[in-house]
Parts: sequence; structure tokens; C-alpha cells
Amino acid sequence: QVQLVQSGAEVKKPGASVKVSCKASGYTFTGYYMHWVRQAPGQGLEWMGWINPNSGGTNYAQKFQGRVTMTRDTSISTAYMELSRLRSDDTAVYYCAKDLHDYSNVLDPWGQGTLVTVSS
Amino acid sequence: EIVLTQSPGTLSLSPGERATLSCRASQSVSSSYLAWYQQKPGQAPRLLIYGASSRATGIPDRFSGSGSGTDFTLTISRLEPEDFAVYYCQQYGSSGVTFGGGTKVEIK
Repeated sequence: QVQLVQSGAEVKKPGASVKVSCKASGYTFTGYYMHWVRQAPGQGLEWMGWINPNSGGTNYAQKFQGRVTMTRDTSISTAYMELSRLRSDDTAVYYCAKDLHDYSNVLDPWGQGTLVTVSS
Repeated sequence: EIVLTQSPGTLSLSPGERATLSCRASQSVSSSYLAWYQQKPGQAPRLLIYGASSRATGIPDRFSGSGSGTDFTLTISRLEPEDFAVYYCQQYGSSGVTFGGGTKVEIK
């Protein structure tokens, strides 16, 4: 079955960077876009962008352009999301999610989430 | 960017009752590119509906989606105890991807 397993929780200081990993299994990694979505404590969902694991091409939400970098390592079926210049309001759970149909922007399934806490 | 407004913010119902959740878009959602997700506390969201009305794999038929243009609805015909959760709509048309603010379905 399709499974996305994310890296563990992180605590970072303001101004630092964080890199979250998402290891995929149970399907052809290069066949489906991978999305990243975040959720601040007690808040709703915020889409950050996607990466095409086949080409490495990316599409970032305007809000995160210049601060986010999505990459992948096809040899280990893993996608990465790096967010730089962290602020306290970047404290959130970060999810990776596989595209349902190669490139449909429907997200299914999701990883378990990675809590990133930004605090001095 | 298309803004999605979900209503009500909270729905208080009893098991066995019918739930009707609304999602309104600030402009027309192209080709009914509208999805619904369920999220329980401490869990990742789960896809319920895509294409406005297509159920995802393994989703019970008590969940149904409808609508087009700017007005969409998620209906849960008879609430089961496991259905009490937060529900989000998402549009994925040409203007990018955005989520609504969510509707919490709680036990009355």
C-alpha cells in the first residue's frame, strides 16, 4: 500500500532553516507529483507547493517563493521541503501528500506530519 | 487566488442525523475541481471527495458531494460516531490550490 513516512519533529531558532523529508513506498515515486501542506496550531490547511519527482520541476505558492525549496532523491524515493529564514509564525505541522492522479492537485494519501517549532 | 468560505464554522449534531456542509468560492471553480477532506484530532487529513462528487477509494457511500461553479456541498447522510471531525474543502483549478477554513462537526 502507498505509504509516506516523514522525518521527526524539529525545533529551530528564528532565522534558521529546516529540511523535512518524506519517504515514499508502495508506488512509482517518479509517477506522481508530491505536495507540501502546512497547518499552524489550531488553524486550517495551507498549500505550499509541489515537486515533480520525475523532472525535479517545482511550483511554489506565491507566499513561500524565495523561502521554500522542494527537492527529491529518486534513488531513495524521498522528497524534501526546506524552509529558510524561519519565523515564529512558521511553527506548524508540515505534511507531504502524494498527488492522486500524476498531476491533478488532489492530495491522497498524506504523510503523518512533521511538527516544526520555531522558538528562541 | 480563489478564496473558499466554509459554513457553518461548527455543526452540532447527533449520531444518525444528516450533515450538510457548505463551501462557497469567491469565483467559479473550473471544471468542478473541488475536493473534500476529513481530519480527526492528531491525524493527517484524508481525501473523501474529488471532482466535486467522486468518492475516493474506500469512502462509505453515506458521504456525497455536489455543486458546481461557486457553490459546493458535502452531505453525510447519517452520521456515524467516527464521522465527528473537521472537514475542509479544497479547490485545485487553474488559479492554484487553496483550502477553506474548515467546518467542525461535533457531537450534540
